[in-house]
Amino acid sequence: QVQLQESGPGLVRPSQTLSLTCTVSGGSISSAGYYWSWIRQRPGKGLEWIGYIYYSGSAYYNPSLKSRAAISVDTPKNQFSLNLTSVTAADTAVYYCARDFTVNGYWFDPWGQGTLVTVSS
Amino acid sequence: DIQMTQSPSSLSASVGDRVTITCQASQDINNFLNWYQQKPGKAPNLLIYDASNLKTGVPSRFSGSGSGTHFTFSISSLQPEDFATYYCQQYDGRPITFGQGTRLEVK
Repeated sequence: QVQLQESGPGLVRPSQTLSLTCTVSGGSISSAGYYWSWIRQRPGKGLEWIGYIYYSGSAYYNPSLKSRAAISVDTPKNQFSLNLTSVTAADTAVYYCARDFTVNGYWFDPWGQGTLVTVSS
Repeated sequence: DIQMTQSPSSLSASVGDRVTITCQASQDINNFLNWYQQKPGKAPNLLIYDASNLKTGVPSRFSGSGSGTHFTFSISSLQPEDFATYYCQQYDGRPITFGQGTRLEVK
C-alpha cells in the first residue's frame, strides 16, 4: 500500500524559505489519476490546503499563499517537494503531504504522518 | 473560496450515544464532500467520500448524507476510539477547503 513520508528542517528563520520533501513508497508517483498535495495545520487550528502537483509537473496553488508556494516533482526519486518563501511565524504548522484520489471524486488518502515546522529566529 | 461551516465546534458525548455533525457550504457543491477523522498527533484519515460513501474498512456505524449546501455526518453508537476531531472537505471549487473541525469529547 502507498505510504508517504515528509522530511525537512523543523526550524526555519523568518523571511527564509521553508523546504520539505515527501517520499512516496509502495506505489508510483507517476500513476495516472493521482495528484499529490501539501496541506498544513497551524497549532490548534484546522486544515489548509496549500496546493497539488501532477507527475507531469502541472501544479495548482491556494491563492491564500500569495504566490509564495511552489511544488515540484521528482519522478525518478518518487518524491515531490514544497518550497514556501518569505516565511513568518504564521507559517508555523504541521505540514502534511497526501495523495489526491481524483477518479470519479476527489479526496486525500493516504496522508503522511506530518512534520512540524516552526518559524522562529 | 467556498466556505465550509461545521457545527457544533465541539460536542460532548458518551460511549453508545448517537452523534450528528453538520457541515454547511457557502454555495452548492453537489455531493462533492468528504469527511475525515483526526486523532491527536496523527494525520487525518478519510472516512466518507462523496457525501455518503463509506471508505472500505471503515465501520458501518459511521454514515454521511446530504447534497447541495447541507451535509450531515453521524456515528450511530459511539465507541471509545471515536473520540477525535472530524473535518468536512469540499472539492467542488478551487481552492479545496475544509470545515473548521468538530471536536468530539468524552462527556
